[in-house]
Amino acid sequence: AQTVTQSQPEMSVQEAETVTLSCTYDTSESDYYLFWYKQPPSRQMILVIRQEAYKQQNATENRFSVNFQKAAKSFSLKISDSQLGDAAMYFCAYRRHTDKLIFGTGTRLQVFP
Amino acid sequence: DTGVSQNPRHKITKRGQNVTFRCDPISEHNRLYWYRQTLGQGPEFLTYFQNEAQLEKSRLLSDRFSAERPKGSFSTLEIQRTEQGDSAMYLCASSLGVEQYFGPGTRLTVT
Repeated sequence: AQTVTQSQPEMSVQEAETVTLSCTYDTSESDYYLFWYKQPPSRQMILVIRQEAYKQQNATENRFSVNFQKAAKSFSLKISDSQLGDAAMYFCAYRRHTDKLIFGTGTRLQVFP
Repeated sequence: DTGVSQNPRHKITKRGQNVTFRCDPISEHNRLYWYRQTLGQGPEFLTYFQNEAQLEKSRLLSDRFSAERPKGSFSTLEIQRTEQGDSAMYLCASSLGVEQYFGPGTRLTVT
């Protein structure tokens, strides 16, 4: 069975600095997708970034980028130039094709001015 | 383009009562997913539909839970004889391709 592990329950960063959130996963599949979702307090889950396993190039979306290490089954999220609005729970998730999402337990990110 | 909507947003019920939640997916999204999220945890998969067909159900979905998606549009999730352990946020998501788009959730409190 596939599993997703986020070993950092909480992280903090100063505004304008860079922070990296860690995620590891376990699967025997070779074709799958990985995602980072953001869930602000009392607000809905929104997609931050996605990575296709067959792509070697790391995905980037503005200030958000990933470090995808397929052999190590590692998928970290880097947030550059952190902003107060980045404060939220961040969930790493795994999915095969159109299958269900399997989520990690989340990392709470605090951003200090 | 409206997003995924869920109603009600909050529901407080007494143990033993039945509750029903509704999810309206993004128009033309053929897949619809239900997840449950308890405090401090990531969402856990409950069930999913492709059009009107329910294709997978989690073992988390006991006999007290039932979901439908008539005509492949909106979906309902019913919980019968609620228990305190059912207290959680119930999330709905829809998709047409790889990405799933989430609704705001229905927070259920069982007293």
